[in-house]
Amino acid sequence: SYELTQPPSVSVSPGQTARITCSGDALPKQYAYWYQQKPGQAPVLVIYRDTERPSGIPERFSGSSSGATVTLTISGVQAEDEADYYCQSAVSTGPVVFGGGTKLTVL
Amino acid sequence: QVQLVQSGAEVKKPGASVRVSCKASGYSFTSYGISWVRQAPGQGLEWMGWISAYNGNTNYAQELQGRVTMTTDTSTSTAYMELRSLRSDDTAVYYCARTAVTAADYYFDYWGQGTLVTVSS
Repeated sequence: SYELTQPPSVSVSPGQTARITCSGDALPKQYAYWYQQKPGQAPVLVIYRDTERPSGIPERFSGSSSGATVTLTISGVQAEDEADYYCQSAVSTGPVVFGGGTKLTVL
Repeated sequence: QVQLVQSGAEVKKPGASVRVSCKASGYSFTSYGISWVRQAPGQGLEWMGWISAYNGNTNYAQELQGRVTMTTDTSTSTAYMELRSLRSDDTAVYYCARTAVTAADYYFDYWGQGTLVTVSS
């Protein structure tokens, strides 16, 4: 098995740019996915295949990849973006691995 | 629209079993798999396993092998997760999630609302 490492917390002021990183040895070979989870709610997919945004997800959410690190960027952060964010990766045969999660605080 | 609706909260004693259901609608049930993901109070997400709604193939997390069984009923577009020999550390919110699995992809694009399972004597 392998691990995905995220910072426990990130804080930004409204209107600024938030960057949340996820590192793992398997990431150069596998796609990464990002989920947003607000308190008491189910996770929501915000980025798939490292950089793709599902329909309905605001354009301020974007993803990038460089070697063993993927990054979720939220441009022009809004108060409603305050949430926990999880990265995830897997091979087609499993297992699925989630990062430990990053709590985004909008100051 | 795609919806996954899960069964209600459960309270179980240690050693008992629990079965959670997940009824899908708004898409072709057999065209996707269903995964189960749990989240202990205040903790992160833990993948439990996956079942193909097309042929019933399963893939379970190693640490749950022998205690978990996932099934589907294609006639009602419903997936089930049974967890046996419950322990206090199985207390969690259990989510089902529609799963896209290809040679390159493995991700969860729609999620159920979650089912709280509490294990307590």
